Formats: sequence, C-alpha cells, structure tokens
Amino acid sequence: SYVLTQSPSVSVAPGKTARIPCGGNNLGSKSVQWYQQRPGQAPVLVIYYDGDRPSGIPERFSGSNSGNTATLTISRVEGGDEADYYCQVWDTTSDHWVFGGGTKLTVL
Amino acid sequence: QVYLVESGGGLVRTGGSLRLSCVGSGFSFSGDYMSWIRQAPGKGLEWISYISGSGTTIYYADSVKGRFTVSRDNAKNSLYLQMNSLRADDTAVYYCARFVNFWSGFDFWGQGTLVTVSS
Repeated sequence: SYVLTQSPSVSVAPGKTARIPCGGNNLGSKSVQWYQQRPGQAPVLVIYYDGDRPSGIPERFSGSNSGNTATLTISRVEGGDEADYYCQVWDTTSDHWVFGGGTKLTVL
Repeated sequence: QVYLVESGGGLVRTGGSLRLSCVGSGFSFSGDYMSWIRQAPGKGLEWISYISGSGTTIYYADSVKGRFTVSRDNAKNSLYLQMNSLRADDTAVYYCARFVNFWSGFDFWGQGTLVTVSS
C-alpha cells in the first residue's frame, strides 16, 4: 500500500517561514491535501489540490508538490499555527485514502 | 453552514460491538461521499472507511475489514459505523468527514466521538 512519510517535528521562530515536507513514491503525480490539527480539536483542511486554499484559510499557507515530495509552507508563522500537520492522498491502486504520520510544528 | 455531529461512542468490552452515528446538515448529504477516520490516543490519523452518496460503493482499511460495516440513511442525513469484534487497538476518537471528490480531501469534519475498548 502507498506510504506517506513525514518528519515527526519541525520548529520555527515566530515571524519566520516553516516548511513541512511529505514524501511518497511519485507523489507529484497525485493530489495532496494538508490538514492542521490543534490539540483537542478535529482536523481542518488547509490545502487541497497540492496548493489551493479553502475559504477562510490565510494566504500565509501555501503548498507545492513535485517529484517525490510535497511541501506545506507557512509564512510569517504565528503562535496559533502550533499544531500537528498531516498530508494526505488518494491511492488509486488500493482505493484507499492515505495519511502521513503527521508533523508537530512547534513555534519557539 | 455545514455541520457533522457524531454520537454513539463509549466504553465497550473487548469482543463487543458498538454503533456510531453521524448526522449531517447544511449540505446535500445524499450527493456527497462520507468517510470515517480515527485517531488513537497520541497517534496520527487513520482512514478506515468511505461510502458513496448512493451507498453503492464502499471501501475499508485492512485494519477493520470484516469487522466494521459502514452504511447511510440519506432520508435521515445519517452515516453509521457498526463496529463488531472490537479490540483494544480500536480505542480511538472516531471522526466522520465529507468529501466531494478524490482530489480535494475532507473539507468538513465532525467533532469526533471517543470509543474505548477495554477488558
């Protein structure tokens, strides 16, 4: 089955840019979604179709996807961005949704 | 405004059964795919099942196949998850979520319901 790999943690200072990678075989051929999950809350979709933002998601959130890596980029990081972030794809081979293991973003 | 509200969670013995429900509002429930996703304590998200709007297409993760059954009643705007032969590793918060196609992800989630399986 398809596997998405994420680093367990990323740290960034307030006001700086956070980049959260997600790896998978030929990931650039798939559509990648990103979810933000704050402690005790349900996940929230922040990026879909690799780089599109749902309404209400700040422009500071952007995404890219090429080759074997997709990246969620958060510009001008704020304390409220501290959360777990999950990447996700639809695997057409297994007809399964697949999540990455998640990355905890810490704002220093 | 889209709302998804899960219910039915609780404490159940190992080997027991439980039925979760999810009621949707604010969108065309019968026209959209629905999915169940779970999250064990301190762990990541795990997709476990989806069902098409008509109910004719259903898929399960290997971890629950043969034990869990997803269904829906579009007249009641409701999604269900029948969970049988429950094990300790089924302990998790269970979320229902909506998606409209296979390229744009789950745009709305419920708040989750906790299932605890213990002997």
